[in-house]
Amino acid sequence: QKEVEQNSGPLSVPEGAIASLNCTYSDRGSQSFFWYRQYSGKSPELIMSIYSNGDKEDGRFTAQLNKASQYVSLLIRDSQPSDSATYLCAVWGGSNYKLTFGKGTLLTVNP
Amino acid sequence: GAVVSQHPSWVICKSGTSVKIECRSLDFQATTMFWYRQFPKQSLMLMATSNEGSKATYEQGVEKDKFLINHASLTLSTLTVTSAHPEDSSFYICSDSPGDTEAFFGQGTRLTVV
Repeated sequence: QKEVEQNSGPLSVPEGAIASLNCTYSDRGSQSFFWYRQYSGKSPELIMSIYSNGDKEDGRFTAQLNKASQYVSLLIRDSQPSDSATYLCAVWGGSNYKLTFGKGTLLTVNP
Repeated sequence: GAVVSQHPSWVICKSGTSVKIECRSLDFQATTMFWYRQFPKQSLMLMATSNEGSKATYEQGVEKDKFLINHASLTLSTLTVTSAHPEDSSFYICSDSPGDTEAFFGQGTRLTVV
């Protein structure tokens, strides 16, 4: 059973700070890794995708992948109140070719 | 990215009735569509995969006779919750991708069974 675990929240940061979100996964053969943002009552929207070890930056967002440690993270720089949402880590590949989600981490950015 | 349109966005129904949820691919031809369910404060869980012109594939523990999936065309997949009960109340979401690459989701349908 493939599992995706996210750091327990909720996470609260002041506006302008860096928010750090973490995720570990159990299936070493996993190949694709994603971060989704989900506002309350809405469906997930893609923030970042990462497929190889290292860092990937897109604007204020940086995803980090370490396959040896089975660890994915998302950094949000200069956090804004509009970043307040639940962030879902999702993993694909390995023992089953299905997208497996973590439970999410609720982030609150305080003005 | 691909545009997936889901309808309705919310529905309230009485226990024992059936509800149909539609998922349309607006700018591409979808031979498969993926249906997820999300209970409050829980993760999204894949329920089933619809296949155009053939039977859907259901995940373990999902009752295929209760959750009827139809994929009659390359642009429309439907999920019908039959004989709905309060425990079926959930957020149902469709997606165009199995997840190997970026997946785009429909707007989601909030089902409340009273």
